[in-house]
Amino acid sequence: DADVTQTPRNRITKTGKRIMLECSQTKGHDRMYWYRQDPGLGLRLIYYSFDVKDINKGEISDGYSVSRQAQAKFSLSLESAIPNQTALYFCATSARTSGRDSDTQYFGPGTRLTVL
Amino acid sequence: SQKIEQNSEALNIQEGKTATLTCNYTNYSPAYLQWYRQDPGRGPVFLLLIRENEKEKRKERLKVTFDTTLKQSLFHITASQPADSATYLCALLYNQGGKLIFGQGTELSVKP
Repeated sequence: DADVTQTPRNRITKTGKRIMLECSQTKGHDRMYWYRQDPGLGLRLIYYSFDVKDINKGEISDGYSVSRQAQAKFSLSLESAIPNQTALYFCATSARTSGRDSDTQYFGPGTRLTVL
Repeated sequence: SQKIEQNSEALNIQEGKTATLTCNYTNYSPAYLQWYRQDPGRGPVFLLLIRENEKEKRKERLKVTFDTTLKQSLFHITASQPADSATYLCALLYNQGGKLIFGQGTELSVKP
């Protein structure tokens, strides 16, 4: 079974609809992240959470919100979807350690979202 | 703000040759730099990490260099194979426990 799972894998929705993307992980990591990927722009950080009570905005948080329901679950919501939020969305996790190899991120398979 | 640039054009090489991908950054040097591989429709997968005080790191056919004077990292794949075809992303971390900043990636295509 995959360590980081995302649901749904694909979603087509209409402008103005509320959408929730879900992420679950079995790696036991404290840190979770949401990114979007657009052609030519690479991965851009939307929100991140270093533990259940810690939520932080990333580079492009406008139009998005998140909820960290448990250590293993981190969901991303689009309150009122718009076409320029059409993108590939990735969830990622990393371990909180004092070791030099911390912050390696483990990604889910992605959710392809299309907003019409 | 910090900027990271990778070759925007796809790199096409012949099987068996060495592929070299570039990652350049502006402003101050990161604590360390990571390279990821991404296949179409899939999430990135971690490959290698190099710290600011390291010049070179190797793993099997992969080699990464880190030059803080040039503000550049080079990623080499020796004896390349068609299975190496993918997009390769560099990512920089600027403080321990902080966030990664990703480059836009370079697409590599290895022809038989």
